[in-house]
Amino acid sequence: SQQGEEDPQALSIQEGENATMNCSYKTSINNLQWYRQNSGRGLVHLILIRSNEREKHSGRLRVTLDTSKKSSSLLITASRAADTASYFCATDDNAGKSTFGDGTTLTVKP
Amino acid sequence: ETGVTQSPTHLIKTRGQQVTLRCSSQSGHNTVSWYQQALGQGPQFIFQYYREEENGRGNFPPRFSGLQFPNYSSELNVNALELDDSALYLCATQRGSSTDTQYFGPGTRLTVL
Repeated sequence: SQQGEEDPQALSIQEGENATMNCSYKTSINNLQWYRQNSGRGLVHLILIRSNEREKHSGRLRVTLDTSKKSSSLLITASRAADTASYFCATDDNAGKSTFGDGTTLTVKP
Repeated sequence: ETGVTQSPTHLIKTRGQQVTLRCSSQSGHNTVSWYQQALGQGPQFIFQYYREEENGRGNFPPRFSGLQFPNYSSELNVNALELDDSALYLCATQRGSSTDTQYFGPGTRLTVL
């Protein structure tokens, strides 16, 4: 089974609203990364958060990490139609292997 | 644009055939990882190469093999293709450390008929 599991599987919101996606994982990690993927194309890296960090920001993105609960969340504020995509979390182990979840499909309606 | 390119963009093969997919890395990136992404699922780790040596492998059979060249470009070879091999194949490059960001190519869409 996947190390990272995103929740919800699908999310539909109106432009301007905030979108929150969650990721849970099972084993210890070095880092956790969030990616965006548009329509079966390559993945775009959004944020990397290290295991000793609790929160990171990048523009309209905010990522939190709770290693005690083995969970992370991605918040996109003031969403735009262009944010419509699939979002994946990936956990990195000591060997540099990344394990992805099956993603959250976000639809932002104009 | 990540600076990582993959070729070909699309490929159609029949069962039993062999395929080679290629990935060029960003300058200075000596680590490349390959992933298989089936429709509606997340990428699954196939293997990683670091300085031309395999540096970790996922749960894929030996008919999935790879190479990394001195210029750090890479190939993924799949022998005896099966219908379930139909997927998007992604490569990702990074500087050596496992704590660094991976940069993904646009992928190769493989269809096995």
